[in-house]
Amino acid sequence: GESVGLHLPTLSVQEGDNSIINCAYSNSASDYFIWYKQESGKGPQFIIDIRSNMDKRQGQRVTVLLNKTVKHLSLQIAATQPGDSAVYFCAENILNDYKLSFGAGTTVTVRA
Amino acid sequence: DGGITQSPKYLFRKEGQNVTLSCEQNLNHDAMYWYRQDPGQGLRLIYYSQIVNDFQKGDIAEGYSVSREKKESFPLTVTSAQKNPTAFYLCASSPGTSGINTGELFFGEGSRLTVL
Repeated sequence: GESVGLHLPTLSVQEGDNSIINCAYSNSASDYFIWYKQESGKGPQFIIDIRSNMDKRQGQRVTVLLNKTVKHLSLQIAATQPGDSAVYFCAENILNDYKLSFGAGTTVTVRA
Repeated sequence: DGGITQSPKYLFRKEGQNVTLSCEQNLNHDAMYWYRQDPGQGLRLIYYSQIVNDFQKGDIAEGYSVSREKKESFPLTVTSAQKNPTAFYLCASSPGTSGINTGELFFGEGSRLTVL
């Protein structure tokens, strides 16, 4: 079965609010995590990543939090915009392994 | 512009027919991958190739075949042996399989295959 999963398949957010997308993983050996964004009919695009030796990493309007104790990953999007509407995937990898394991995705819809 | 090009974007196939999806990259990447995406599910790895003339099975390789005769190209054939081929197929590349650890997995725009 999948080792990475997201808590909720859909998330509806008011424009301007902050979004929090959650992801749980089960492989304690995973040491690298990535968030991807996939717009309708397109391929996934890299958003942000984090290694297991960190618990927080910030990008432009996005923050990823890693809690290794409970094997939980989250993506926070500040001031959500209509262009943030997409499916968001978390993925995990074990160092030097070729394969990324993807979660099922959360569909984020931004309400005007 | 550098990137990954998949074609066709949409493809219809009758049952029992083989079909080949094209994937070309001009990023000079060593590694290339094929993923399958079904509604409500994450991406599942079909095949990957670390170098020209070499490729390995992923998690769901049955019913699929690939070739890697050129660095730039990694075509995927969906054979009649694939029981449920209707899906969205994504090709990706990275500088090397080690590049996957830096998030450098670049995806194409996908090919949607529908079996009639």
